Amino acid sequence: NAGVTQTPKFRVLKTGQSMTLLCAQDMNHEYMYWYRQDPGMGLRLIHYSVGEGTTAKGEVPDGYNVSRLKKQNFLLGLESAAPSQTSVYFCASRRDNTEAFFGQGTRLTVV
Amino acid sequence: KQEVTQIPAALSVPEGENLVLNCSFTDSAIYNLQWFRQDPGKGLTSLLLIQSSQREQTSGRLNASLDKSSGRSTLYIAASQPGDSATYLCAVSDLTGGGNKLTFGTGTQLKVEL
Repeated sequence: NAGVTQTPKFRVLKTGQSMTLLCAQDMNHEYMYWYRQDPGMGLRLIHYSVGEGTTAKGEVPDGYNVSRLKKQNFLLGLESAAPSQTSVYFCASRRDNTEAFFGQGTRLTVV
Repeated sequence: KQEVTQIPAALSVPEGENLVLNCSFTDSAIYNLQWFRQDPGKGLTSLLLIQSSQREQTSGRLNASLDKSSGRSTLYIAASQPGDSATYLCAVSDLTGGGNKLTFGTGTQLKVEL
């Protein structure tokens, strides 16, 4: 049972480049989340989804887009990367209001 | 807006000591509260989940309590070991937006010394 898998694990981007982070879960969970973690700031919610085909904005959505075309996948896109988006990105999933499971993170550096 | 605070930000204890980590939240209308552990450079590992109707949950040497009315939770670690060294995070799932979101505290960094 793989749980929550994030791809890639590391990435370096140049300012202005675009990329997509993939989150895949094999637990048939309805809810999926994208967070970013920065020193001293804790985990902040970027976007989330409560089911296939749905997305909603979190606390810090600017500069990011998401899609949930399949229940098991939640994609996070950066259209034009900025140095301020250097961070560690975490994906999580859960079934309704139950225990949340996290991926191992993607460390992104924008230069 | 829900705000979650964890005190202290860092804690260092000798091996074998019992310790308590604190988590407080501003909006008591929550579905549940979850405690996580995060090792350096790793993802979050779920430790305990307490539903709003529960007062405590136990797993091995860990015991988490919840006082929803006062907006507080504690994580009690018995007989601490060096392997317990990590950052501990609490997160609440509240009624804002239908209970769909998890709001995190900034964590307590624990070091257990030999």
